[in-house]
Amino acid sequence: DTAVSQTPKYLVTQMGNDKSIKCEQNLGHDTMYWYKQDSKKFLKIMFSYNNKELIINETVPNRFSPKSPDKAHLNLHINSLELGDSAVYFCASSRDFSYEQYFGPGTRLTVT
Amino acid sequence: GQQLNQSPQSMFIQEGEDVSMNCTSSSIFNTWLWYKQDPGEGPVLLIALYKAGELTSNGRLTAQFGITRKDSFLNISASIPSDVGIYFCAGSPNTGNQFYFGTGTSLTVIP
Repeated sequence: DTAVSQTPKYLVTQMGNDKSIKCEQNLGHDTMYWYKQDSKKFLKIMFSYNNKELIINETVPNRFSPKSPDKAHLNLHINSLELGDSAVYFCASSRDFSYEQYFGPGTRLTVT
Repeated sequence: GQQLNQSPQSMFIQEGEDVSMNCTSSSIFNTWLWYKQDPGEGPVLLIALYKAGELTSNGRLTAQFGITRKDSFLNISASIPSDVGIYFCAGSPNTGNQFYFGTGTSLTVIP
């Protein structure tokens, strides 16, 4: 059983397009996250949701908009994609803040 | 945001050797986590530490929560080829706070 799943695994698109990445967790966790991993492998938190409410919103362009329809899902919508958005995006979940986070398999976004 | 420093940045070792890596922070943390990331995959949790001085093992892996609460260590004994990957530490300063991730240690095991 997959604990944290993301779709799609790969996403190739052109500059200026709008795209979404979906995330689902079946662990019954209350907190979900989006991370961006750049080419140097740095993991940087973008957003955190707790019980469907936005808790953390790091310095991320407002072209990025997370949406949590329920506790088990946290989707990431990106408008007007730019070359610099190319990265691997990871969804994660945890029971609550400060508890272990479990990561999804990642979505490799390539903007051409 | 805060970023933890991991050392070394990369390691190339012979199969069978032991490995040591560490993670340091400028501030005190109450929880430390260690993850391993295989190529093309998401980070997988290896060990979680909750108490200063705590030593926890998971098979050939052993991690320690530093006494100062500003560092943590991960050791891998008798390395094997499948240990290859990037190892990340993560720390949280307080209950209810987010985790900050380290810069990663890339491990290569030469058969």
